[in-house]
Amino acid sequence: QVQLQESGPGLVKPSQTLSLTCTVSGGSISSGSYYWSWIRQPAGKGLEWIGRIYTSGSTNYNPSLKSRVTISVDTSKNQFSLKLSSVTAADTAVYYCARAAIIAAAGIGPFDPWGQGTLVTVSS
Amino acid sequence: EIVMTQSPATLSVSPGERATLSCRASQSVSSNLAWYQQKPGQAPRLLIYGASTRATGIPARFSGSGSGTEFTLTISSLQSEDFAVYYCQQYNNWRGLTFGGGTKVEIK
Repeated sequence: QVQLQESGPGLVKPSQTLSLTCTVSGGSISSGSYYWSWIRQPAGKGLEWIGRIYTSGSTNYNPSLKSRVTISVDTSKNQFSLKLSSVTAADTAVYYCARAAIIAAAGIGPFDPWGQGTLVTVSS
Repeated sequence: EIVMTQSPATLSVSPGERATLSCRASQSVSSNLAWYQQKPGQAPRLLIYGASTRATGIPARFSGSGSGTEFTLTISSLQSEDFAVYYCQQYNNWRGLTFGGGTKVEIK
């Protein structure tokens, strides 16, 4: 079964760029049947979709974060990555990567599975 | 952006009782709605998709209903492992995926 694992620095300074990688195991990120997404959750709060990428490199981002987000894919490593620039304390959160199937009716399905999440703290 | 509103924020239920959670969309999402369960320190787990289809391995005590803008997640007889936070999510607007604020189901 497919598993996802986030990795990256747990501490980022304000105004710098947050960089995370999601490694996919048990399946190929190039299968063409899925979108690959990033989602975040501040402590004690709800879930916020950040954006997604297709194996071709095509992306869609949350409009509220679009100016600061870049998601990329490295099919040779079976990984996709998140970069969030100009971070502030408000970007402190657990960051999850997740997979969503491409479905005919809506274009995209629900998120399944998810990675375990990684806490990123923005602080000097 | 489609806004998802969940109610109540907290639901106090005794083990063995039924729990009914609501989710409302600011505009129609057809049946493109999912429910997730999240326990402390864990990632969300998919319970229901297509508004009413249980995901693989999800017990039959979980059921979903609704379409358009009004949705319900029902847990027929709460077990100890069901006390958690539940989120709904619409995937009808694939350019802007959004979640509800969550309902915490706690032991009464």
